Amino acid sequence: DAGVTQSPTHLIKTRGQHVTLRCSPISGHKSVSWYQQVLGQGPQFIFQYYEKEERGRGNFPDRFSARQFPNYSSELNVNALLLGDSALYLCASSPVLGTLQETQYFGPGTRLLVL
Amino acid sequence: EDQVTQSPEALRLQEGESSSLNCSYTVSGLRGLFWYRQDPGKGPEFLFTLYSAGEEKEKERLKATLTKKESFLHITAPKPEDSATYLCAVNSGYSTLTFGKGTMLLVSP
Repeated sequence: DAGVTQSPTHLIKTRGQHVTLRCSPISGHKSVSWYQQVLGQGPQFIFQYYEKEERGRGNFPDRFSARQFPNYSSELNVNALLLGDSALYLCASSPVLGTLQETQYFGPGTRLLVL
Repeated sequence: EDQVTQSPEALRLQEGESSSLNCSYTVSGLRGLFWYRQDPGKGPEFLFTLYSAGEEKEKERLKATLTKKESFLHITAPKPEDSATYLCAVNSGYSTLTFGKGTMLLVSP
């Protein structure tokens, strides 16, 4: 069975540019969450979507936005990139919310470098 | 605010030398405590979910335990392939995970 997939694997942008990261969840999973992981730190929560609705938002500026599509895939958009946005962006999927089936399974991540 | 503290930050073991990693947490209502393994440059790989104090789970050389304030990941007779960063996270409502900084484990042959 395919796990969570993310694209692209690596990305280099310059300050001020815009970036779109993509995620496909495990088949049958309806919830997608996005995390940012800077070097030497644990992942930090950005967004959670379930059934195409935003269910949670972390402490990130409005430059960060996301959406979930009818097939449960998701996009993370970041506008006006800053050097500090350089990080590994992780997508995680889980089957449902509000039950004990909330274990999140992570994709390989997208490594973003902002110059 | 939910908090997760992991110790030690780094641990070096000889192959076969057993040890434990600690995860202390503060959360308003625990909906689950999760252990992940992360290799450099890759996404976290799920290991265990623990839901209530006293619960234990095992997988190969790893055993996770949970109390009301902390969790331990016991590594028995580790091998070099167990070298990785081990992340602990708590479920802070609606499946949003709060992670610790991780423990970087290096097992030497």
